[in-house]
Amino acid sequence: NAGVMQNPRHLVRRRGQEARLRCSPMKGHSHVYWYRQLPEEGLKFMVYLQKENIIDESGMPKERFSAEFPKEGPSILRIQQVVRGDSAAYFCASVPTGGSYEQYFGPGTRLTVT
Amino acid sequence: GNSVTQMEGPVTLSEEAFLTINCTYTATGYPSLFWYVQYPGEGLQLLLKATKADDKGSNKGFEATYRKETTSFHLEKGSVQVSDSAVYFCALRTSNTNAGKSTFGDGTTLTVKP
Repeated sequence: NAGVMQNPRHLVRRRGQEARLRCSPMKGHSHVYWYRQLPEEGLKFMVYLQKENIIDESGMPKERFSAEFPKEGPSILRIQQVVRGDSAAYFCASVPTGGSYEQYFGPGTRLTVT
Repeated sequence: GNSVTQMEGPVTLSEEAFLTINCTYTATGYPSLFWYVQYPGEGLQLLLKATKADDKGSNKGFEATYRKETTSFHLEKGSVQVSDSAVYFCALRTSNTNAGKSTFGDGTTLTVKP
């Protein structure tokens, strides 16, 4: 069973461009969480999605950030008009459909805004 | 709201020294507690977990006991190795259902010198 997959692993964008980060959960997992890790800090919750639904987006910045988890395909975290402060590692985690104490984390996407 | 406070780093030890990284938490309900390890440039790996009071999680020589009375989950290892050098995160999750997002501490960087 392949683990949680994220791509790209590294992404460089100029200020004002768009960044698209992808997360494919583990097989049998239909719930996805996105976290952001700023340099020298811990992970901060951004959004929790189920297939075709946003369940909790309390950690998402109000502007420029959006997330989706379509019926088919990976979950996408989209950042429009990136700024230098968006430079961070973005991790996704998935949970089995039936629930689990543990969240399974992907390797992360490291976004650098120049 | 939920919060996790970790001992500030960095921590530098000699090989075979005893390790303690303190972690205390504040949470509503009855959280599950986790320690994750992050090696440079990589994602989070679950190191150990405890899902109820007095449980002891253990893995690879690391241990932590869920202390409800002191709201703590301190990480210990009797004899560290150079390969243990990494960043360690304490985290909690207040539900094993899919709605349970994780709350992380800020991480403690451990460097083990030969």
